[in-house]
Amino acid sequence: AQSVAQPEDQVNVAEGNPLTVKCTYSVSGNPYLFWYVQYPNRGLQFLLKYITGDNLVKGSYGFEAEFNKSQTSFHLKKPSALVSDSALYFCAVEGSNTGKLIFGQGTTLQVKP
Amino acid sequence: DGGITQSPKYLFRKEGQNVTLSCEQNLNHDAMYWYRQDPGQGLRLIYYSQIVNDFQKGDIAEGYSVSREKKESFPLTVTSAQKNPTAFYLCASRPFRALNKPQHFGDGTRLSIL
Repeated sequence: AQSVAQPEDQVNVAEGNPLTVKCTYSVSGNPYLFWYVQYPNRGLQFLLKYITGDNLVKGSYGFEAEFNKSQTSFHLKKPSALVSDSALYFCAVEGSNTGKLIFGQGTTLQVKP
Repeated sequence: DGGITQSPKYLFRKEGQNVTLSCEQNLNHDAMYWYRQDPGQGLRLIYYSQIVNDFQKGDIAEGYSVSREKKESFPLTVTSAQKNPTAFYLCASRPFRALNKPQHFGDGTRLSIL
């Protein structure tokens, strides 16, 4: 069965410091991986995706993610956090050929001034 | 601008009542999805539709029903059989046969019990 795990419920960082939000996955075949962000009472906004190619994927708002096949991980990173990055972050993997997304539980990122 | 519109933003349900959540998209997307979001549980798939007049159950379809009579519209009915309907409901869409395209999300409907 395909699954996604985000091992941290919350990540706290100081503004200006680098941030990492962790994600591991389990999927048969080649994974299609996504990161989304959600602000309070809003829908999900797409940040970036990994389909194939370079293991370092660059996305919106200065975020990037590193795909590691041997560790089955797809961690979200940003070199310098902003207070406005504080939000709920979801990792997702696409299952089968229906376009169905399987989501992790979400990680709340808190960036303090 | 193209996008997904969900209405209403807030909805209250009485005991034994069915309620319908609206989802409309003008992105010309073939596939549409309904998710339920509960705190700490991520998003769970309720129903999805890849083409008009066709839809499939997701992981938690019991107590819900959908229709897909038009490409633009994918309403979700929360029936009285759904005993714990309080949640945030999100609708999404994407082009079909575009496996690496991200889903686009609406801004959700928050459903509560009166």
